[in-house]
Amino acid sequence: SQELEQSPQSLIVQEGKNLTINCTSSKTLYGLYWYKQKYGEGLIFLMMLQKGGEEKSHEKITAKLDEKKQQSSLHITASQPSHAGIYLCGADPGYSSASKIIFGSGTRLSIRP
Amino acid sequence: NAGVTQTPKFRILKIGQSMTLQCTQDMNHNYMYWYRQDPGMGLKLIYYSVGAGITDKGEVPNGYNVSRSTTEDFPLRLELAAPSQTSVYFCATWLAGTYNEQFFGPGTRLTVL
Repeated sequence: SQELEQSPQSLIVQEGKNLTINCTSSKTLYGLYWYKQKYGEGLIFLMMLQKGGEEKSHEKITAKLDEKKQQSSLHITASQPSHAGIYLCGADPGYSSASKIIFGSGTRLSIRP
Repeated sequence: NAGVTQTPKFRILKIGQSMTLQCTQDMNHNYMYWYRQDPGMGLKLIYYSVGAGITDKGEVPNGYNVSRSTTEDFPLRLELAAPSQTSVYFCATWLAGTYNEQFFGPGTRLTVL
């Protein structure tokens, strides 16, 4: 079965600094999803990547899927307190199945003022 | 649009009790899901449904039952609650064939003592 590993597990960065979160899959990714979860709340969809080499941005958050489609990175530029939370990656194990998305264990991000 | 609503928000059960977690959506999405999230972990898929009258097991279905009699509602039933079912439960929806965004409810925090 496919597994997703996120690194780091937790991260504390100074406000204004850049940071990167990684998501590595044990198998080829057909769809890779990034979500943000505020503490004690539900998940908010950030973006979805499907094609090798694809890169998408939303405000100061950029995500990229590598050419081999087994790793994705999420990069935050000039971090702000509003970026704090848990970032989860999710993978679609079959092309356009959208039925059994599996999730990584998450990266807990704290922003230090 | 209310999106995805879940009730109750919190619940404490005694071992052996039963309860139903409610999930309702007003977006006319065909796919619906139930996930559980244990502390410090990612989400595990319990059950999912691709449309009214159709349900299927996810990764961790034991101890749970679901039904999908309408497009809007997807209740999750716990029979004979056990401490291992202490978790946060999230309901999610998906409109297949579209932008591929999954929408999550705010979650139900369940404790079994």
